[in-house]
Amino acid sequence: AQSVAQPEDQVNVAEGNPLTVKCTYSVSGNPYLFWYVQYPNRGLQFLLKYITGDNLVKGSYGFEAEFNKSQTSFHLKKPSALVSDSALYFCAVRDGGNYGQNFVFGPGTRLSVLP
Amino acid sequence: SQTIHQWPATLVQPVGSPLSLECTVEGTSNPNLYWYRQAAGRGLQLLFYSVGIGQISSEVPQNLSASRPQDRQFILSSKKLLLSDSGFYLCAWGQTQETQYFGPGTRLLVL
Repeated sequence: AQSVAQPEDQVNVAEGNPLTVKCTYSVSGNPYLFWYVQYPNRGLQFLLKYITGDNLVKGSYGFEAEFNKSQTSFHLKKPSALVSDSALYFCAVRDGGNYGQNFVFGPGTRLSVLP
Repeated sequence: SQTIHQWPATLVQPVGSPLSLECTVEGTSNPNLYWYRQAAGRGLQLLFYSVGIGQISSEVPQNLSASRPQDRQFILSSKKLLLSDSGFYLCAWGQTQETQYFGPGTRLLVL
């Protein structure tokens, strides 16, 4: 079975500082990994994904994530946080070797960027 | 480009009343379609998914049902709502194993 953990319920960071939102996963096959962001009362917006290739993936709004196979992690990062980055962030995984397997989402991490 | 619509945006219904939430996708054909529920602004629970017209898979047994009468239309229904059906309902579409794209959501409050 596949699973996703987001160990931090809440992350606070000052505007202009770098931010990291952590994600670890468990999957039996090849991991397909995703990050989504959700603003209040809105649907989830796709940020970036790792399927194969370069371990450092760049996405929307200046976000990037690094796939680390040995640590089974896919942490989301941004060099300089903006107040507008404050939102709920979800990591998701699916088993790339299992066509019928659906996404599994983490519980979410609430990011607050303080001015 | 592809777009996904959900309506209504918000809904307040009494316990025991029926429910129908609609999701439509534009700009793609034969998408995989998904219904999720999100409680208390947190984790997502997959309710149903569909890989084609009339093909519905249920992930959890509950008071809800789904139908896909057309290729790009996905409907979530209930005959009698329960208080516990309150939540934020999200529809998503995707192709094969790639990214899922979400609609704007419907907030349902059952009183």
